[in-house]
This record gives sequence, C-alpha cells and structure tokens, in this order.
Amino acid sequence: DSGVTQTPKHLITATGQRVTLRCSPRSGDLSVYWYQQSLDQGLQFLIQYYNGEERAKGNILERFSAQQFPDLHSELNLSSLELGDSALYFCASSTGTGEGNIQYFGAGTRLSVL
Amino acid sequence: AQSVTQPDIHITVSEGASLELRCNYSYGATPYLFWYVQSPGQGLQLLLKYFSGDTLVQGIKGFEAEFKRSQSSFNLRKPSVHWSDAAEYFCAVGSYTSGTYKYIFGTGTRLKVLA
Repeated sequence: DSGVTQTPKHLITATGQRVTLRCSPRSGDLSVYWYQQSLDQGLQFLIQYYNGEERAKGNILERFSAQQFPDLHSELNLSSLELGDSALYFCASSTGTGEGNIQYFGAGTRLSVL
Repeated sequence: AQSVTQPDIHITVSEGASLELRCNYSYGATPYLFWYVQSPGQGLQLLLKYFSGDTLVQGIKGFEAEFKRSQSSFNLRKPSVHWSDAAEYFCAVGSYTSGTYKYIFGTGTRLKVLA
C-alpha cells in the first residue's frame, strides 16, 4: 500500500458528461501529480500541484482541470467527456518538488466513457 | 529533449530463468532513474531508484539495476523470475527542466512468465 488513495476505483459515464476524480496523498506529502494511462499514449503526465498551487503542466486538455485543497487532497475534473478520454487515471504524491523526489502512486481510477 | 526508451514491448521468460529489461534514456545531466512495476489492476510500485554513487542498485523483490553512463542505460535484472513477477515494468527519468522537476516514463515492458 503506497498510502495514496484514489476514489472511485471505477467510473462509467457517457460522452458529454463531467466527472471528478479524487486523490488523497500520503501523509506529509505536499505534491500531487496526475497522470493518464491509455493503451495508445502510455503514461502521460497531466498536471502537478504543490501545497495548493499549480506547479507544472503536461499534456492536459483544456476540458480537464485540477485543484489541490487546503487539506492537500486533490481533484481532477474532466468535462465534455469523449470516448478517447477512457483511460486509467493515476494520482501520485511526493514530499516536495525538487530533484530526486520520489513519486508514490495510487491504484488509479479507471474511467470508461460510453 | 529528455526521453526514455524501453525497446522491448513484450518479454516472455520461463519461471526460474534470468531476466533483463532494457531502458535507455536521453538526458543532458546526471539523471535520476527509477523502475516501477504495475501489476494487473494495480498502481505503480517503486522497485528501485538511482540517484548517485554505486552504479549497481538493489531494489525490492530481488530486482537490481545497473546505471551505465557510457551507454545511457539503466537495465533492470533479476537472476530468477517468479510467476508473480508477471506485470508491466516502467523505467522513468526524473528531469529538472524549465524550473520544474518531472518524471518522463518509458512506454513499458510487459513481462509474461511461463510455468
């Protein structure tokens, strides 16, 4: 158990809908990262938050947004969902943001868009 | 640009056989290197990491990896594979660019173990 908790484990929804994925980092970790894993794109970095502030952006679509709350949990919001958004979404956390920080991953949320 | 290449998409070995998974990276400075394992339906679990020092690093579950700067490689090895090692393995490099530190992952190698 990595200590990173993601809910829900599975989500099934329809195109055009909006969903929210939740992540609770390991105790003491200030950084949260979101990744998308799909068969054709592999593991893609989406966005990072550190202590409530956005720190880095990767290949995140404009339809997607995230935030980190004062209690350090994070939410990833996906809107206007398309079939291609079906993927496994991972959250990871680390203590800080500097070089050498180790990321610990949650078990993921599997999103199916029908 | 930084990149990580795992040239083998699939590897099949017999239980008890030795294993080597290849990873090559492209990074200008001394890299921070990681191997993660993803079992079916699970998240990524850190197997081992290299930051500096001894180029042969030991990890969990009997895995080890060797950093070879001259070959830009960080190959993962295990002397005797167990059926429970069947999983997908990801190599990653931690790179500090444009003011932020990010992981870049390879595309993964899926390991199948024959009984």
